[in-house]
Amino acid sequence: GESVGLHLPTLSVQEGDNSIINCAYSNSASDYFIWYKQESGKGPQFIIDIRSNMDKRQGQRVTVLLNKTVKHLSLQIAATQPGDSAVYFCAERVPGRRALTFGSGTRLQVQP
Amino acid sequence: GAGVSQSPSNKVTEKGKDVELRCDPISGHTALYWYRQSLGQGLEFLIYFQGNSAPDKSGLPSDRFSAERTGGSVSTLTIQRTQQEDSAVYLCASTVSLGARAETQYFGPGTRLLVL
Repeated sequence: GESVGLHLPTLSVQEGDNSIINCAYSNSASDYFIWYKQESGKGPQFIIDIRSNMDKRQGQRVTVLLNKTVKHLSLQIAATQPGDSAVYFCAERVPGRRALTFGSGTRLQVQP
Repeated sequence: GAGVSQSPSNKVTEKGKDVELRCDPISGHTALYWYRQSLGQGLEFLIYFQGNSAPDKSGLPSDRFSAERTGGSVSTLTIQRTQQEDSAVYLCASTVSLGARAETQYFGPGTRLLVL
């Protein structure tokens, strides 16, 4: 399948370790943030979202942290599995604008 | 239920030809978006449709790009006189839009366009 993001920053972790993927967003007015996972040859898949009135949200094996002071978003994946290998994108939404603004992505490689 | 579907999955065309890309959103989703993803890049917004409102075309890169959405469902993105720099993955997403509330965008698998 097609390779997405040949020149993306890459995070390599061992299976079973925890992963932390970071994202710096651009607009201090953004009120909604999403993490997407994109496997090779597929469209982005929703993982977890968070609104700007929160600083932490947990899902199944994933946690998103939001630091509005420094405009930083992170995705934590617990007990990383080979199936987590993909490119991860953060996206932000500015009030009054429907379209999302996407970051450039991080490739996660899970070593068995 | 069925997700967002797009066709064709792959398209190879010659420079100067026109292409049409199709998106079938999730049934009941009133909002539809087109994005473009070039190799090694994030997603670039192209156009947004919401119900019967005028579309937001602010992301279209040139007047060679146009899109329409018939009957509030299927959308077609047309690229006229294709150029090599148009080569990319074109992604469609749909959402249930509830006024000003933020909503999750669900993406289709994309159409991989290669302009020779």
